Amino acid sequence: KQEVTQIPAALSVPEGENLVLNCSFTDSAIYNLQWFRQDPGKGLTSLLLIQSSQREQTSGRLNASLDKSSGRSTLYIAASQPGDSATYLCAVQRTGGGNKLTFGTGTQLKVEL
Amino acid sequence: NAGVMQNPRHLVRRRGQEARLRCSPMKGHSHVYWYRQLPEEGLKFMVYLQKENIIDESGMPKERFSAEFPKEGPSILRIQQVVRGDSAAYFCASSRRDGYNEQFFGPGTRLTVL
Repeated sequence: KQEVTQIPAALSVPEGENLVLNCSFTDSAIYNLQWFRQDPGKGLTSLLLIQSSQREQTSGRLNASLDKSSGRSTLYIAASQPGDSATYLCAVQRTGGGNKLTFGTGTQLKVEL
Repeated sequence: NAGVMQNPRHLVRRRGQEARLRCSPMKGHSHVYWYRQLPEEGLKFMVYLQKENIIDESGMPKERFSAEFPKEGPSILRIQQVVRGDSAAYFCASSRRDGYNEQFFGPGTRLTVL
């Protein structure tokens, strides 16, 4: 059974800091991994999707890496801003797993002025 | 191109009533997924549907819950005889026809059972 863990559970940083969020998964037979952000009381916004054959993806100030063999992914946020405050979720889609996403526990990020 | 649409956004039901949650996928998407987020818990998969077919319902409670995605119209998640433990945010996602693709999520329906 796939289990996805994210550390830290919560993080508070001053504006402008670069930061790294971690995601680990127990079953390396994944098809892809997605990073999302969720604002309080809102839905999920897809940030980045990494296919299992890829090592990283970049979008603006965000960079996500994937090391499938070790079961790890990191989301790097450069020059953090207060608007980045949200809960960040990673989710994996298992190969042959019927397309469902297995979500991590989330990292609650607060960027302070 | 409108995103995934869900309605209602908020739904209040008394114990024993029925709840119907609707989801319209993005244009061009024929795969729909339902997830549930219980208070203080993570998102959990419930069911995966294509038009007129349930593909995977391994995450769906065996009783009181059902889902459909008819040939015409939105996908419906139906909860019969709701109990307080059903109070949660229910999210719908959709993806393109070929399945193994990025899933896009709707804003969710927040169900409160009194």
